[in-house]
Amino acid sequence: SSEVTQDPAVSVALGQTVRITCQGDSLRSYSASWYQQKPGQAPVVVIFGENNRPSGIPDRFSGSRSGNTASLTITGAQAEDEADYYCHSRDSSGNHQVFGGGTKLTVL
Amino acid sequence: EVQLVESGGGLLQPGGSLRLSCVASGFTFSSYEMHWVRQAPGKGLEWVSYISSSGRTIYYADSVKGRFTISRDNAKNSLYLQMNSLRVEDMAVYYCARATYYYESSGYDGEYFHHWGQGTLVTVSS
Repeated sequence: SSEVTQDPAVSVALGQTVRITCQGDSLRSYSASWYQQKPGQAPVVVIFGENNRPSGIPDRFSGSRSGNTASLTITGAQAEDEADYYCHSRDSSGNHQVFGGGTKLTVL
Repeated sequence: EVQLVESGGGLLQPGGSLRLSCVASGFTFSSYEMHWVRQAPGKGLEWVSYISSSGRTIYYADSVKGRFTISRDNAKNSLYLQMNSLRVEDMAVYYCARATYYYESSGYDGEYFHHWGQGTLVTVSS
């Protein structure tokens, strides 16, 4: 079982804002990163740490954290943002990595 | 350009063995920590194993500990995963991933996987 948890599915209307959350005790100690994965493709990191975007990631993607929760926000969701999103952090030991179960984002 | 190219996947029966390889290019391989991450068909991502840049520190997920062995050859820019006693539940696409460590001014730290290979499929079936 995952030590960080995500809602399995979220939907958002085109152009609206959506927040995807990730909860876990280890997030009180370690930062999280977020990955977008489209069918048949390898994951792509969209946010790492509290709110850092790798080059090439649109600025509509942002991150935040509060207590044991990390959040990924997409402001003005586009059709191409429809994908699975995974959070990633360390486990409580600090030695292992953990992924959330993933959130399937549907853009309506 | 950073490239990670996995190979070695295939079809085998439960109890079998397989060795996956990941060849890196476009960066100084010996300076980076590396991981294996897998994804079963239709399922989420699962971290499998970690190896430090020197190879001296290694960690495994509980689900593979004692059956899988991670290693690297920095002279060959290569990462390996020896998988023994394979089970049906090990069936997945296996990705190698390069980790980048970061430290934030808030005091939090972590690593993220900026670069992934294309994955290699391991099918375990009788």
